[in-house]
Amino acid sequence: KQEVTQIPAALSVPEGENLVLNCSFTDSAIYNLQWFRQDPGKGLTSLLLIQSSQREQTSGRLNASLDKSSGRSTLYIAASQPGDSATYLCAVLMDSSYKLIFGSGTRLLVRP
Amino acid sequence: DAGVIQSPRHEVTEMGQEVTLRCKPISGHDYLFWYRQTMMRGLELLIYFNNNVPIDDSGMPEDRFSAKMPNASFSTLKIQPSEPRDSAVYFCASSFSWGPNYGYTFGSGTRLTVV
Repeated sequence: KQEVTQIPAALSVPEGENLVLNCSFTDSAIYNLQWFRQDPGKGLTSLLLIQSSQREQTSGRLNASLDKSSGRSTLYIAASQPGDSATYLCAVLMDSSYKLIFGSGTRLLVRP
Repeated sequence: DAGVIQSPRHEVTEMGQEVTLRCKPISGHDYLFWYRQTMMRGLELLIYFNNNVPIDDSGMPEDRFSAKMPNASFSTLKIQPSEPRDSAVYFCASSFSWGPNYGYTFGSGTRLTVV
């Protein structure tokens, strides 16, 4: 059974810092991995999608990497801003099904 | 494109009442998913449909939960009778088939409170 773990569960940093969020998964038979952002009381917004054959994807100040063999992904946020404060969720799409399995998220607070 | 549309946004009901949550997927998407989010369990997949046909309902917690997709543009998740432990945010998501950039688009969710 696939298990997705995100560390840390919560993170508080001053504005301007570069930071890394971690995601690990137990079953490497994945089709792709997605990073989502969730603001309080809101839905999920897709940030980046990395196919299983890719190593990384970039969008603006965000960079996500994937090491499928070791079951790890990182989300790098450069020059963090208070507007980045949200919960970040990692999810893997299983190769054998259409199920997207989520981690429990990292709650990020960027202090002005 | 209006995205995935869910209604209502908030629902407060009394224990024992029937609750119906609604979802309109993105036009052209052939997969539809229902998720439930709670503090304790995070995001859990309840059921998903492909071309309006239920494919996997193994995540549906009990017989009190049922889901239908009568056509490509509409799905419902029904709870009858509702219980306080059903209180959660219910998300609907849709996706277009199977491809290298396969990804989900989520609705804004329905926050259900059963008192």
